[in-house]
Amino acid sequence: NAGVTQTPKFQVLKTGQSMTLQCAQDMNHEYMSWYRQDPGMGLRLIHYSVGAGITDQGEVPNGYNVSRSTTEDFPLRLLSAAPSQTSVYFCASSYGQGREQYFGPGTRLTVT
Amino acid sequence: GENVEQHPSTLSVQEGDSAVIKCTYSDSASNYFPWYKQELGKRPQLIIDIRSNVGEKKDQRIAVTLNKTAKHFSLHITETQPEDSAVYFCAVSDDYSGGYQKVTFGTGTKLQVIP
Repeated sequence: NAGVTQTPKFQVLKTGQSMTLQCAQDMNHEYMSWYRQDPGMGLRLIHYSVGAGITDQGEVPNGYNVSRSTTEDFPLRLLSAAPSQTSVYFCASSYGQGREQYFGPGTRLTVT
Repeated sequence: GENVEQHPSTLSVQEGDSAVIKCTYSDSASNYFPWYKQELGKRPQLIIDIRSNVGEKKDQRIAVTLNKTAKHFSLHITETQPEDSAVYFCAVSDDYSGGYQKVTFGTGTKLQVIP
């Protein structure tokens, strides 16, 4: 089992560019989430999904889109990158409610 | 929404001493309380969790206590070792959001164990 994988590990974007952060899991988890981690602010939920075809907004969704066409994949799209989106992004999956979340290795994004 | 406060933000202890990290939450309906450890440059990983029907849970040198009346829970690490140095996050989960366990994280505690 690879667990939760994310690509790329590092990315530098210019303001206004768009890109997609990839996330995949091979544990057949229904629940998947995207978080951003900023110094002193913990992990903040961006978007989440409770199954293929079902997504919803988290705490900080502005500037990001998601889709879930398969159980395995949950990509995060940055529509028009801004310096405020400089952060470390983690994807996570879990088997169900009240269960352990498994995190991917993270993507460090810098927007200049 | 849920509000989670975590204290202290940094904690230094001598090797062998105990460390305690505390979290408070606002939603009395919250029912799942995990703790995650994040080593430098790594991903967060679950170290222990507790549910609202349990007051205390222990796993070797780590333990978590929960006081639902006061809406706070704590992580206790005994006989600390240098490899315990990391950032620790508490989290709180509710299941009133369309069936999804929306998880709110605390802001983290950087623990340094001094050899």
